[in-house]
Amino acid sequence: EADIYQTPRYLVIGTGKKITLECSQTMGHDKMYWYQQDPGMELHLIHYSYGVNSTEKGDLSSESTVSRIRTEHFPLTLESARPSHTSQYLCASSGGEDTHPETQYFGPGTRLLVL
Amino acid sequence: RKEVEQDPGPFNVPEGATVAFNCTYSNSASQSFFWYRQDCRKEPKLLMSVYSSGNEDGRFTAQLNRASQYISLLIRDSKLSDSATYLCVVIRGSNYKLTFGKGTLLTVNP
Repeated sequence: EADIYQTPRYLVIGTGKKITLECSQTMGHDKMYWYQQDPGMELHLIHYSYGVNSTEKGDLSSESTVSRIRTEHFPLTLESARPSHTSQYLCASSGGEDTHPETQYFGPGTRLLVL
Repeated sequence: RKEVEQDPGPFNVPEGATVAFNCTYSNSASQSFFWYRQDCRKEPKLLMSVYSSGNEDGRFTAQLNRASQYISLLIRDSKLSDSATYLCVVIRGSNYKLTFGKGTLLTVNP
């Protein structure tokens, strides 16, 4: 099993609130990713990081922001949540020395509902 | 055209059946290919990598045809536990960014 954790698992929040989705991995992976997935749809990359202090926008435009101050931690923040942000957010990591460098391990996801 | 396209499915097969999924990718610069499995309301998990020479892992066989930009997954002797969505995944270049297909839902019936 992959050692990658996400909290909260479920979040229901009102419009306009600031939220932070947490993601942590204990595998020492240098690369981390955030994906967004709507029900029955494909995953879309919204942010990625190749190491500490490195963050990049993904293929799908997102109003969220990320930070990578520590190798193991890659939080995602929405300054002002809106109903259009309702989705599942999946965090992943890759790059361990004992695995194929391209294999990504996913956390269990956070299901966000913005009312 | 989407970068990765899969059979729309869903596939409903009886236990013991053989089922094949197809996937095409549009960018000839794509370098690495994978099949991931995603159970209902769960995270994706790597099923197998796909190599040019083809590779087999138990009941699962993956094939890559670079000339046709086509990837396949064959599942033999289907089990109930094989029921899931199968995701075709492509990496373009050496940037480790995955591009996912929409997935094909497989249901194996008793």
